[in-house]
Amino acid sequence: KAGVTQTPRYLIKTRGQQVTLSCSPISGHRSVSWYQQTPGQGLQFLFEYFSETQRNKGNFPGRFSGRQFSNSRSEMNVSTLELGDSALYLCASSLFIGLQETQYFGPGTRLLVL
Amino acid sequence: AQSVSQHNHHVILSEAASLELGCNYSYGGTVNLFWYVQYPGQHLQLLLKYFSGDPLVKGIKGFEAEFIKSKFSFNLRKPSVQWSDTAEYFCAVNAGNNRKLIWGLGTSLAVNP
Repeated sequence: KAGVTQTPRYLIKTRGQQVTLSCSPISGHRSVSWYQQTPGQGLQFLFEYFSETQRNKGNFPGRFSGRQFSNSRSEMNVSTLELGDSALYLCASSLFIGLQETQYFGPGTRLLVL
Repeated sequence: AQSVSQHNHHVILSEAASLELGCNYSYGGTVNLFWYVQYPGQHLQLLLKYFSGDPLVKGIKGFEAEFIKSKFSFNLRKPSVQWSDTAEYFCAVNAGNNRKLIWGLGTSLAVNP
């Protein structure tokens, strides 16, 4: 099975711009979670989507949004970019066995905001 | 609030040394526990996980972890490390009805050949 794929892998933007990141989960996985990874803060949970619905949300401002499509692919959008948004954005798709969930990660999109 | 603490931020070992990385969490109920590894330039990979049953869990590449409920700990171990184990290691906990994974800040392991 193909793993989680994320596009683009690298992105350079300037302050004030907006950006859209894409994630394709492992085939058959219906849940997609997004994380922001920075050296000082580690992995911070952004949100989770399941069957096109946001099921869980972290403590990020409204500039961060996402959506999920009927094929489980997900996009994440950040508007009005700030320098502090520079980070590695990770997508994970989840395998559920009963209530047991295991997340599998993509390679990430490295965003640099100048 | 739930939290995960990884006590060792940076660890340097020589090849063949034994490894133990600490992970403690703050939650008194049922937990699911994970260790992930991030090799240089690669994405996060699942090393091992604990949901229930035998508290000693074996993962890939010779790693194991022991869940000690009374100590709220899930320490990662490997009897003999290799240079290729150089990576960042993350402990994560999924607790109760909150399905968010809570992550430790990671431990950077450098193994000298």
